[in-house]
Amino acid sequence: EAGVAQSPRYKIIEKRQSVAFWCNPISGHATLYWYQQILGQGPKLLIQFQNNGVVDDSQLPKDRFSAERLKGVDSTLKIQPAKLEDSAVYLCASSLSGRAGNEQFFGPGTRLTVL
Amino acid sequence: QKEVEQNSGPLSVPEGAIASLNCTYSDRGSQSFFWYRQYSGKSPELIMFIYSNGDKEDGRFTAQLNKASQYVSLLIRDSQPSDSATYLCAVSQGAQKLVFGQGTRLTINP
Repeated sequence: EAGVAQSPRYKIIEKRQSVAFWCNPISGHATLYWYQQILGQGPKLLIQFQNNGVVDDSQLPKDRFSAERLKGVDSTLKIQPAKLEDSAVYLCASSLSGRAGNEQFFGPGTRLTVL
Repeated sequence: QKEVEQNSGPLSVPEGAIASLNCTYSDRGSQSFFWYRQYSGKSPELIMFIYSNGDKEDGRFTAQLNKASQYVSLLIRDSQPSDSATYLCAVSQGAQKLVFGQGTRLTINP
């Protein structure tokens, strides 16, 4: 079974530029998550989708971050404009459903460096 | 007060010994508790989850939960160098939203 796919794996941009990340979850997984992991910290949930609807985006900085999950499969996360403090690894995860106990499987992540 | 707190370490344990990792959480309504392992430069992978008070064992790993004390721990028996990683405690606060601690860096010394 293929895992969660993410691209690109690495991205370096200058502040105020825009960037987009892509995620393809495990086939059949209805729930998709985007996390931000700053060096030395645990992952922080940015947004959770159930199929193509948003379940939780309470920690998404909506003035600069946006995410979509068209057709309930792939998802993109965009940052515009980027700030220095956005330097982090962006992890995508998916689970079979959003119910408690369903394991979240993480992709390899995209390491973003903002100069 | 952070929602999920862990000692960031590093925790150094000799090979073959028991490694003990601890986590406290602030939300009494938390329902599910998870331990993830994250190797340097890799993504987190689930080791164990626990819902009920008491112990849950899986091979060399034992998770312990005490809801009254809002405390969850992970014991690793017969520690191996391959266990060297950062261990993340995560707490579910409904709808499978996970709140992670900052992680404890564990080093097993041969």
